[in-house]
Amino acid sequence: SQQGEEDPQALSIQEGENATMNCSYKTSINNLQWYRQNSGRGLVHLILIRSNEREKHSGRLRVTLDTSKKSSSLLITASRAADTASYFCATGIYNQGGKLIFGQGTELSVKP
Amino acid sequence: GAVVSQHPSRVICKSGTSVKIECRSLDFQATTMFWYRQFPKQSLMLMATSNEGSKATYEQGVEKDKFLINHASLTLSTLTVTSAHPEDSSFYICSARPTLGGAFFGQGTRLTVV
Repeated sequence: SQQGEEDPQALSIQEGENATMNCSYKTSINNLQWYRQNSGRGLVHLILIRSNEREKHSGRLRVTLDTSKKSSSLLITASRAADTASYFCATGIYNQGGKLIFGQGTELSVKP
Repeated sequence: GAVVSQHPSRVICKSGTSVKIECRSLDFQATTMFWYRQFPKQSLMLMATSNEGSKATYEQGVEKDKFLINHASLTLSTLTVTSAHPEDSSFYICSARPTLGGAFFGQGTRLTVV
């Protein structure tokens, strides 16, 4: 069953700008992960944040997690045209190891 | 890193026929594998959880007799779409869970039923 909601559903920005995507979920989680998917292709794992972490960085990516609000955000700084893709959050459900529930996704378009 | 190979990457089949998709963990053993389906412009929906040596657990609304899952070894799970129809056309993707945790995705299979 789908439990994650993401907003915005679509985001269009200029190269160099920052992109922020938000994700909300409903149940207790072990972790929350962000994935990228280029059109018609497989998933690329971006970053994982555990339920006891609040913020994590990886290169131009910054992820926050607020378990009290059951929400997460993904920030991509200094975006590039190559960042154009769909981005999904996925929650690792507590006590159901490996099972991921995906959000609806945000379609990001970065214009050169 | 852990590698999951999914085969075939693309398949076109005639309505009424069956199609088998394989998901292999190449460098680790996976007691659990997951199968997802993604329709165009939509997110991934979990179809079923496959446990080695036992019956798969299907999510609500997924027909177990139509989507047959076999997880006969620690490195291979197969999904067979039986009596495929055009509405089964979708992107199918598996993930495999190593003993120590995590989830690694295959490259996906694009199924087109004509």
